[in-house]
Amino acid sequence: DAGVTQSPTHLIKTRGQQVTLRCSPKSGHDTVSWYQQALGQGPQFIFQYYEEEERQRGNFPDRFSGHQFPNYSSELNVNALLLGDSALYLCASSLLGESEDTQYFGPGTRLTVL
Amino acid sequence: AQSVTQLDSHVSVSEGTPVLLRCNYSSSYSPSLFWYVQHPNKGLQLLLKYTSAATLVKGINGFEAEFKKSETSFHLTKPSAHMSDAAEYFCVVSDRGYGGSTLGRLYFGRGTQLTVWP
Repeated sequence: DAGVTQSPTHLIKTRGQQVTLRCSPKSGHDTVSWYQQALGQGPQFIFQYYEEEERQRGNFPDRFSGHQFPNYSSELNVNALLLGDSALYLCASSLLGESEDTQYFGPGTRLTVL
Repeated sequence: AQSVTQLDSHVSVSEGTPVLLRCNYSSSYSPSLFWYVQHPNKGLQLLLKYTSAATLVKGINGFEAEFKKSETSFHLTKPSAHMSDAAEYFCVVSDRGYGGSTLGRLYFGRGTQLTVWP
């Protein structure tokens, strides 16, 4: 049973560039959430996708956008990168319904903005 | 609104001694509470989850947590620490909507770094 996978593992970009991060949910899951974890902090919720629609959104600017595909995989896009966007980006999957708040996390993508 | 406060940023114990990681929460409704562990350069692993079925929750690797509504606490314990327990631990509360419906968003504490000395 494959868990949550994310790609790439590491990424280095420069200010102003755009980046796309990818996530495949755990088998059987239909909901994907994205979190940003800055160094020394707990993860912060970015947004959640279900049925290819953004279901909830945290306090992140519009530069952060996402997408969910029919196979439930998801992308996180960040435009006009800032130095402060450097962080570990975590994807979590869950099954909508009674246990939807039980989220399983991937290993993350480490983004460095220079 | 939901929030979590982890009372210790760092905890150090000797191998074989008990572990106590403290967490207080704030929630408008009856919450779901979690503990996650993060080893260096790894993702988050679910240790245990409280959902009101029982106040003492047993998790993986010998960890357990007790939900105390009167104290709004959800402390994580383990009777005997092992070197492999050294990691960052996060206390988490889930978001609730009107009427207590689950929304799925998680709120994380700032984390407690556990060091285990040989």
